[in-house]
Amino acid sequence: QKEVEQDPGPLSVPEGAIVSLNCTYSNSAFQYFMWYRQYSRKGPELLMYTYSSGNKEDGRFTAQVDKSSKYISLFIRDSQPSDSATYLCATSSGSARQLTFGSGTQLTVLP
Amino acid sequence: EAQVTQNPRYLITVTGKKLTVTCSQNMNHEYMSWYRQDPGLGLRQIYYSMNVEVTDKGDVPEGYKVSRKEKRNFPLILESPSPNQTSLYFCASSFRGAGAAGANVLTFGAGSRLTVL
Repeated sequence: QKEVEQDPGPLSVPEGAIVSLNCTYSNSAFQYFMWYRQYSRKGPELLMYTYSSGNKEDGRFTAQVDKSSKYISLFIRDSQPSDSATYLCATSSGSARQLTFGSGTQLTVLP
Repeated sequence: EAQVTQNPRYLITVTGKKLTVTCSQNMNHEYMSWYRQDPGLGLRQIYYSMNVEVTDKGDVPEGYKVSRKEKRNFPLILESPSPNQTSLYFCASSFRGAGAAGANVLTFGAGSRLTVL
């Protein structure tokens, strides 16, 4: 079993929709939770970062962590075609040496 | 511009022909790492370096070598490439100074697509 499981999609939604992307993890020692966004032919870039449980909001993006159920979510409100990318969840118990990535969910937002 | 630069971006080679993928960062980051990305498997760490002359194996180190002689450079060496090393490779770096929180904020290169025939 992978330490971080993520539905690979692909996920296709109309412009303006609310998008929900999810990951589950198995290691209760994970404390740091991240979402990276990867555009086609590009390297991943950090989108959201949270520590421990709770919500974090940044514009149209909300990251949510539920440590009790080991569940990580990313919500995108008013989705735009420019949000079309692969979204990777990542978790860590401490240093970057221990960073573990999900397999990524490919999202397409249709105009 | 702060960035991680990888070269080559695309490479087709044959089994057994040694190759090196270079990686350079201009942010004075301590941590550098190499990942490979394969469909359905996501990003898997190959090797990791905490600083100059300090390297450690990641999750899939077999068939790869690295060195960290300078802080800015972290080349990935395939001594005898095989077809199962056909993949998309990413170099990444992060800053140790901000503690664990900062160390997890990776800056990635644009990727190097390698095909081994």
